[in-house]
Formats: sequence, structure tokens, C-alpha cells
Amino acid sequence: NAGVTQTPKFQVLKTGQSMTLQCAQDMNHEYMSWYRQDPGMGLRLIHYSVGAGITDQGEVPNGYNVSRSTTEDFPLRLLSAAPSQTSVYFCASRPGGDAYEQYFGPGTRLTVT
Amino acid sequence: GENVEQHPSTLSVQEGDSAVIKCTYSDSASNYFPWYKQELGKRPQLIIDIRSNVGEKKDQRIAVTLNKTAKHFSLHITETQPEDSAVYFCAAGGSGYSTLTFGKGTMLLVSP
Repeated sequence: NAGVTQTPKFQVLKTGQSMTLQCAQDMNHEYMSWYRQDPGMGLRLIHYSVGAGITDQGEVPNGYNVSRSTTEDFPLRLLSAAPSQTSVYFCASRPGGDAYEQYFGPGTRLTVT
Repeated sequence: GENVEQHPSTLSVQEGDSAVIKCTYSDSASNYFPWYKQELGKRPQLIIDIRSNVGEKKDQRIAVTLNKTAKHFSLHITETQPEDSAVYFCAAGGSGYSTLTFGKGTMLLVSP
């Protein structure tokens, strides 16, 4: 199993550009989440999904969209990038039910200039 | 929703000393408390977790204790080594939650 994969590893955007961060898992996990990590702020939840076709907002959803058309994939879309979205983005998944352990992807480092 | 506070934000110890990191949480419904270690430039990795039906759990040099009445839990690392240097995150979640709420992290530095 590859586990949780994310692409790209690094990305530089100009203010106002849009892009999609990709996340995929091959463990047949029900639950998937997106976090952003900023210095001194820990991991803050952006959006999450409890299954294909079901998504919900987390703590910091503004400026981001998600969809979950398959169990495996959970892309994160930046609609109009802003410098405040410069961060490291982590995707995570967990099996569901009472299996709570989350598995993280390697992260995407995004810089918005 | 859940709120997790973590202390201290930085911790420096000498090799061989013990290190303790503490977290408090707000929602008594939380019943799963993991600890993650994150090395520079890497993803968070689970190192130990505890559920609310257990008060303490050990795995070699690391242990986690949970006090559900006071709503706090702690990570204990004994005989610290330089390779323990990293950022450690606590989190809370479990039943009724689809995901985890994380503390802000503790940077642990172990000096030789």
C-alpha cells in the first residue's frame, strides 16, 4: 500500500490564481480530512469527508472547496489564492467506525506571492 | 466543538532526562487521545494513543496518562535521546467526532 499520497510536494502561486491539491489513499478509508499547518498554530482542520459524496467544513474553510466523488480521492481546491493561504497542507485519512487513528500524507508546501 | 490546549510550547532537556508534555481538552465526550511526533519537514506520525477506558499506556520509553475527570492527558518520555528532538502534538477526538482537534504543538530539544 502507498498509504496517503499528496501532489504536488511544492507549489508557488501568484495572488488570485486557482489550483487543486491532490490527495489519494489506497486503504479503503471512509474518512478523509485536510489540515493546514502554520508556525505556532498546530494543525487546523479545513474540510473533511465521512464518505463519498459527503463533505463538511472544519475550523478554517474559507477560500477552499472540496469534493469526494470516490472513496480514494479528496482534492482541495483554492479558488483565488491569497498570501494568507501560504502554508503546509496535510491530507489525512482513517478507516471509520471506532478506528480513530489518522494517517497523514507527506504534505504540500504552498507559497502564495 | 472540542478545544485542546498544550503546554509547554518549547521544552529543552539534557540527554537522559525525562520530558513531560501536558494537554487539556474541553469536551467530555472525547474518548480518543493520540500523540504525534513530527520531525522537521516530515508528516506527523502517531507514536502512542489512549482511549478513555484506560488511565495509562506505555510503549518502551514513552507513556501517556489520562485523567478524564480533570480532562487532561500527558506524554512522558524517559531517558531522552537526541533523536527524540521534534515537535509533538496532542489531539482529542473519537466517538461523535469525525476527525481530530490538535493542540498547537511542543518543540522538544534534547541536547547531548
